Amino acid sequence: GEDVEQSLFLSVREGDSSVINCTYTDSSSTYLYWYKQEPGAGLQLLTYIFSNMDMKQDQRLTVLLNKKDKHLSLRIADTQTGDSAIYFCAEKDNAGNMLTFGGGTRLMVKP
Amino acid sequence: ETGVTQTPRHLVMGMTNKKSLKCEQHLGHNAMYWYKQSAKKPLELMFVYNFKEQTENNSVPSRFSPECPNSSHLFLHLHTLQPEDSALYLCASSPENTEAFFGQGTRLTVV
Repeated sequence: GEDVEQSLFLSVREGDSSVINCTYTDSSSTYLYWYKQEPGAGLQLLTYIFSNMDMKQDQRLTVLLNKKDKHLSLRIADTQTGDSAIYFCAEKDNAGNMLTFGGGTRLMVKP
Repeated sequence: ETGVTQTPRHLVMGMTNKKSLKCEQHLGHNAMYWYKQSAKKPLELMFVYNFKEQTENNSVPSRFSPECPNSSHLFLHLHTLQPEDSALYLCASSPENTEAFFGQGTRLTVV
């Protein structure tokens, strides 16, 4: 079945850029998403990219998609302590409307 | 605030109790989902409902029983749970073929 992989942990200093990476196996993915989960909360959609795009920018967030390598990344510019959370990537195939999630990357931002 | 509301936010129940989790959305979405988030495990899709019909049951034990009485409400009925069922239960909804919007989750502890 489909598989989505992420590294478990990332630590950066406040003001630096963060890059969270994700790989997936389903070549029929139509949309790829980044969700943020703060402690005790549900998942908040941050941004998404359609599979025929290779880049999307939304304020401090930049999503890069390498469809050939099935690699997705989320870059957060000028990372703030409020960005500390778990970030999940997810992919949706064109067969239905279900999401397959990665295991999440815990981002820690040090002052 | 995503427009998906889950109640209760926290629940502690004994193994012999029966309780229900509730999810509500008035976003006009056709699909609703239950996910389970345990420590050290990826998000697990439990059930999917499309237009009130269950379209996915990911080998979930029968002690979890979903109900979707209308397109705005989704329930998860719980009975004779085990301590390993303690987790964050997330409800989500989505319009067809786009991103999912998540509720805040119900933190369930089985004692």
